[in-house]
Amino acid sequence: AQTVTQSQPEMSVQEAETVTLSCTYDTSESDYYLFWYKQPPSRQMILVIRQEAYKQQNATENRFSVNFQKAAKSFSLKISDSQLGDAAMYFCAYRSASAGGFKTIFGAGTRLFVKA
Amino acid sequence: DAGVIQSPRHEVTEMGQEVTLRCKPISGHNSLFWYRQTMMRGLELLIYFNNNVPIDDSGMPEDRFSAKMPNASFSTLKIQPSEPRDSAVYFCASSLIGQGGSPLHFGNGTRLTVT
Repeated sequence: AQTVTQSQPEMSVQEAETVTLSCTYDTSESDYYLFWYKQPPSRQMILVIRQEAYKQQNATENRFSVNFQKAAKSFSLKISDSQLGDAAMYFCAYRSASAGGFKTIFGAGTRLFVKA
Repeated sequence: DAGVIQSPRHEVTEMGQEVTLRCKPISGHNSLFWYRQTMMRGLELLIYFNNNVPIDDSGMPEDRFSAKMPNASFSTLKIQPSEPRDSAVYFCASSLIGQGGSPLHFGNGTRLTVT
């Protein structure tokens, strides 16, 4: 069974600095999707970024980028120029790309604090 | 696109009462998921549907929980009878599975408190 591990329960960053959130996963599959979701205090789950495993190029969305290391099964999220609005829970998630791959499996989350 | 719509946003009920949570997925999405979020257990997948058909309900904790999707635009999650340990935030999400890496689109969740 696939698992997703986020080893950092909490992280903090100074406003305008850069922070990296860690995520590792376990799977025997070769094709899958990886996601980062953000959950602010409003509790809305918002997609931050996604990565297809067959793509070697790391995904980027504005200030958010990932470091995808397929062999190491690592998928970290880098937030550059951190803003107060980035304070939230961040969840790493995995979904198989195989036919019938419906389930999205979430990690336990990392709470990010942003200091002014 | 109105997004995934859940109701109610908050629900407070007494132990033993029936609770029904509602969800309207994004039009055109073929899959719908019910998640439960608690501090202790994080995000748990309860059940998911594909083309209105339940595919996997192995995450439903007990027979007290049931879910239906009578059509492509509506789903319910029912708890009968409710217990205090059911208190949690319940999320509905929809997606277009089979179309690349389509992500989950979540509703705002229903915070359920059972006293």
